Amino acid sequence: QKEVEQNSGPLSVPEGAIASLNCTYSDRVSQSFFWYRQYSGKSPELIMSIYSNGDKEDGRFTAQLNKASQYVSLLIRDSQPSDSATYLCAGPFGSSNYKLTFGKGTLLTVNP
Amino acid sequence: NAGVTQTPKFQVLKTGQSMTLQCAQDMNHNSMYWYRQDPGMGLRLIYYSASEGTTDKGEVPNGYNVSRLNKREFSLRLESAAPSQTSVYFCASSTKHSNTEAFFGQGTRLTVV
Repeated sequence: QKEVEQNSGPLSVPEGAIASLNCTYSDRVSQSFFWYRQYSGKSPELIMSIYSNGDKEDGRFTAQLNKASQYVSLLIRDSQPSDSATYLCAGPFGSSNYKLTFGKGTLLTVNP
Repeated sequence: NAGVTQTPKFQVLKTGQSMTLQCAQDMNHNSMYWYRQDPGMGLRLIYYSASEGTTDKGEVPNGYNVSRLNKREFSLRLESAAPSQTSVYFCASSTKHSNTEAFFGQGTRLTVV
């Protein structure tokens, strides 16, 4: 099993809707998780980080972490066409938490 | 502030040729990473360096070698390129391993023919 499993999608939502992206992970030791956004032909950029159970909100983005169930999610409220991109979840794994490992990514398309 | 700089941006190699991808960061980061990205496969970790003087294998290390030359620089070498190594390669760095953002270079698009 890969350390990070991500629903590869693709996901298509209308403008103004909520987009929901999910990841599961295999290592109970992992303490922090990250959501990156990658536009086509560009480098990944961090949009959210979460370190503790529960929700973390930043503008239209909410990250949710459930350590007992080993899943992390990202909600995008009031989705905009500019949110159309691939979203990657990532976490540090390995015996010393140095392996920053990514899921396969979910392609999100927001339709005007 | 340049951040993470990768060279070259594009490269075409013939099968069997060798080359080194260069990466340098000017953010005084301890950890550096090399990833490859292929369609439908996400970012796969090739090698990483937790700190200056250490390197470790990631998910797909076969066919690659790395050198952490100093704190700033982390190079990736293909000794004998194969068509299966056609990919986009990203270098990244972070201040420490677990709780901080990784910053990415602009990527190197490598084609092996």
